[in-house]
Amino acid sequence: RKEVEQDPGPFNVPEGATVAFNCTYSNSASQSFFWYRQDCRKEPKLLMSVYSSGNEDGRFTAQLNRASQYISLLIRDSKLSDSATYLCVVKSGGYNKLIFGAGTRLAVHP
Amino acid sequence: DTGVSQDPRHKITKRGQNVTFRCDPISEHNRLYWYRQTLGQGPEFLTYFQNEAQLEKSRLLSDRFSAERPKGSFSTLEIQRTEQGDSAMYLCASSPGWQGRDQPQHFGDGTRLSIL
Repeated sequence: RKEVEQDPGPFNVPEGATVAFNCTYSNSASQSFFWYRQDCRKEPKLLMSVYSSGNEDGRFTAQLNRASQYISLLIRDSKLSDSATYLCVVKSGGYNKLIFGAGTRLAVHP
Repeated sequence: DTGVSQDPRHKITKRGQNVTFRCDPISEHNRLYWYRQTLGQGPEFLTYFQNEAQLEKSRLLSDRFSAERPKGSFSTLEIQRTEQGDSAMYLCASSPGWQGRDQPQHFGDGTRLSIL
């Protein structure tokens, strides 16, 4: 079983739609949680950190449920430019090693 | 540009050859990481340096792989006797060394390795 599991998608949504991605992690000792965005053939870029209380950054909302070991990302009012792969990321251990999910692909169409 | 820099961007080589990649982290970052990403997968951790000390290595890092960070600044990743399964994107990341819950790792553009 992979440490971080995501639905690979693709999610095909029209502009303006709301879309949600989910992720589960297996290591209950995981300390920090992130969503990264990766465009085709580019490097991953930090989208946002995920806090237990939930946090929002513009159209993006992230939630963490430590009891269920579950992380979510909600994107409201999707834009064409949101098309990318969204990577669920967990930090474990003392050296800040990042464990990535395989990513969920989002395609926003006109 | 003061981001993480990797060189070369692309490397095509024949099976059995040795290759070396370079990473220059963000200047004030003392933590440096190497990851490998294959098609359809997320990046997988390979190794981690704090300054010049290599503190963690993944089991993915076979004895054909070696990484160095001799002066605590740039790092090199060498693959000896390359195999077709080594074809991947090799990503370098760096982060600050201060203790904080969310120390973002900043990634370079990566080196795409293709083994013929």
